[in-house]
Amino acid sequence: DTEVTQTPKHLVMGMTNKKSLKCEQHMGHRAMYWYKQKAKKPPELMFVYSYEKLSINESVPSRFSPECPNSSLLNLHLHALQPEDSALYLCASSQAWGTGLAKNIQYFGAGTRLSVL
Amino acid sequence: KNEVEQSPQNLTAQEGEFITINCSYSVGISALHWLQQHPGGGIVSLFMLSSGKKKHGRLIATINIQEKHSSLHITASHPRDSAVYICAVSGYGGSQGNLIFGKGTKLSVKP
Repeated sequence: DTEVTQTPKHLVMGMTNKKSLKCEQHMGHRAMYWYKQKAKKPPELMFVYSYEKLSINESVPSRFSPECPNSSLLNLHLHALQPEDSALYLCASSQAWGTGLAKNIQYFGAGTRLSVL
Repeated sequence: KNEVEQSPQNLTAQEGEFITINCSYSVGISALHWLQQHPGGGIVSLFMLSSGKKKHGRLIATINIQEKHSSLHITASHPRDSAVYICAVSGYGGSQGNLIFGKGTKLSVKP
């Protein structure tokens, strides 16, 4: 099983809503990532979790709040978003983070397409 | 100047043609990755290279570390190969886990 599952596939929310994106993997990976991708642009790294601890926060606004409750699950909590936050949000996982070449291969989910009205 | 440059940005080919996508980078890397993204969809890792050449089916990836250049070749292209192909590199040490992405090459293969 080399699958990273993201739910929901699509999400429409208002600027005052609170919603969450979910990402799950059962490959035993200990590193998980959130990326944001705008149309026709490459993905931008938002957060990295390594062994359930936040290792990187790429100066992401606090209206995005990540959570890693266990090694298989990664959430992204959304609150008071702006229309410019509309994008494809991608989750990825890898065996480990920052050590060893083969362990750095990232497996990506299909993404959640978010629209903020 | 971007750290990872891809060419061409857009590529249209006829079914059956041999396709080459190029990637140049300006930083020291521990590995180079080729990724595929279909419209509206997630990303699939095609290859990870640190030297030489790899082949998988109709796809071939090569890297020249001295010249800081990699190519992705598709033989006997097919409309289902239509996608965006992204080159990404991993750095050294603590940044090994982070990917620096190129802007992607959008490939359309016409039947």
